[in-house]
Amino acid sequence: GAGVSQSPSNKVTEKGKDVELRCDPISGHTALYWYRQSLGQGLEFLIYFQGNSAPDKSGLPSDRFSAERTGGSVSTLTIQRTQQEDSAVYLCASSLGTGGAGNEQFFGPGTRLTVL
Amino acid sequence: AQSVTQLDSQVPVFEEAPVELRCNYSSSVSVYLFWYVQYPNQGLQLLLKYLSGSTLVKGINGFEAEFNKSQTSFHLRKPSVHISDTAEYFCAVGGPYTGRRALTFGSGTRLQVQP
Repeated sequence: GAGVSQSPSNKVTEKGKDVELRCDPISGHTALYWYRQSLGQGLEFLIYFQGNSAPDKSGLPSDRFSAERTGGSVSTLTIQRTQQEDSAVYLCASSLGTGGAGNEQFFGPGTRLTVL
Repeated sequence: AQSVTQLDSQVPVFEEAPVELRCNYSSSVSVYLFWYVQYPNQGLQLLLKYLSGSTLVKGINGFEAEFNKSQTSFHLRKPSVHISDTAEYFCAVGGPYTGRRALTFGSGTRLQVQP
């Protein structure tokens, strides 16, 4: 079956512009995660959605970052007034909601964001 | 809070040689441990995970890892590597007592298999 998909695969934008990154999780997965992968660093957690519960936003680096998940499926990560330090690969993952933190997270290929 | 340290940023190795990628973690509560692999221009793929039980965990592509609680380590090993194992490897921790579902990742180790 289809895996996690993300779009666009690459995004180049100018400093100060807003960008939207999209994630389509695996069908039936109720948990969805956003991570950021900066050059030479590991993955940094941004935000987590689980069903209809309030999202865990504890990883968002600033109020310029926001995310929503419509209908419990597709998610959009929005970065307002982009800065050069926002340049990174943004990865989305999904997992089954049951079974807790031991469930495997399936990752999408990522969106490479470059802020000029 | 949890943290993960991958001691080697790059590991060059010749084809068919054994390899060990090191991972140490810090946590005040019990955790689950994971190794993910990222091939060029692809997303992360789970290699193996430790939740409980036997401390020696076998994963895909001939990889295995051993959980050592006293040394807070979860090193990844393969007895004989192939060119196709060239990739970035990430160690991660998570678990039911960490307060969140998301994983905490190390900074990654780039495995470079040379002919």
